[in-house]
Amino acid sequence: GESVGLHLPTLSVQEGDNSIINCAYSNSASDYFIWYKQESGKGPQFIIDIRSNMDKRQGQRVTVLLNKTVKHLSLQIAATQPGDSAVYFCAEITGGGNKLTFGTGTQLKVEL
Amino acid sequence: GAVVSQHPSWVICKSGTSVKIECRSLDFQATTMFWYRQFPKQSLMLMATSNEGSKATYEQGVEKDKFLINHASLTLSTLTVTSAHPEDSSFYICSAVTGGSTGELFFGEGSRLTVL
Repeated sequence: GESVGLHLPTLSVQEGDNSIINCAYSNSASDYFIWYKQESGKGPQFIIDIRSNMDKRQGQRVTVLLNKTVKHLSLQIAATQPGDSAVYFCAEITGGGNKLTFGTGTQLKVEL
Repeated sequence: GAVVSQHPSWVICKSGTSVKIECRSLDFQATTMFWYRQFPKQSLMLMATSNEGSKATYEQGVEKDKFLINHASLTLSTLTVTSAHPEDSSFYICSAVTGGSTGELFFGEGSRLTVL
């Protein structure tokens, strides 16, 4: 996906609700996708990954869905907590290696 | 997980001076490290791939003479911003790969550069 954005989209959710963060990618040859969480002033933190031969992967409270037909990736966070407030980025890798292309990012705000 | 440390975590410098940022893999050896740049409210942009013992590979549009990268050992890569100007003010983040170019990737905590 394109990695430059002029602003961050914001998603506001109530504590305890489920969050869905979306990402569109542009390179149909990408074969590995990662979701990162970035808190203010810190580096990205790995959340969950998925390979292109899968369409769903679950972790603890998080699920990633991959739709290769429309080149869409989503991150679902169950029972969102205040500590989940951060910016979330999807990233893609094409052709192996570890060279990441980051998406625009989404600011998640959890309201009490 | 593996630890990647950046130093300094923040630095303020005068316009025209050079600033060096270090990226260290503390508990593993990293033949490959990556340097990213992030402006406020924006995504991470890959600047260059740092390869131990060889020249860095820069992304299109990144000035190699402006952003000097040295990966002299398996645990240290440095980014030097030469003749810094206010537009170079940004958050610089490194990542390091364990076990070769296809290993796991870990990010540092970032270094915030402010050029006055």
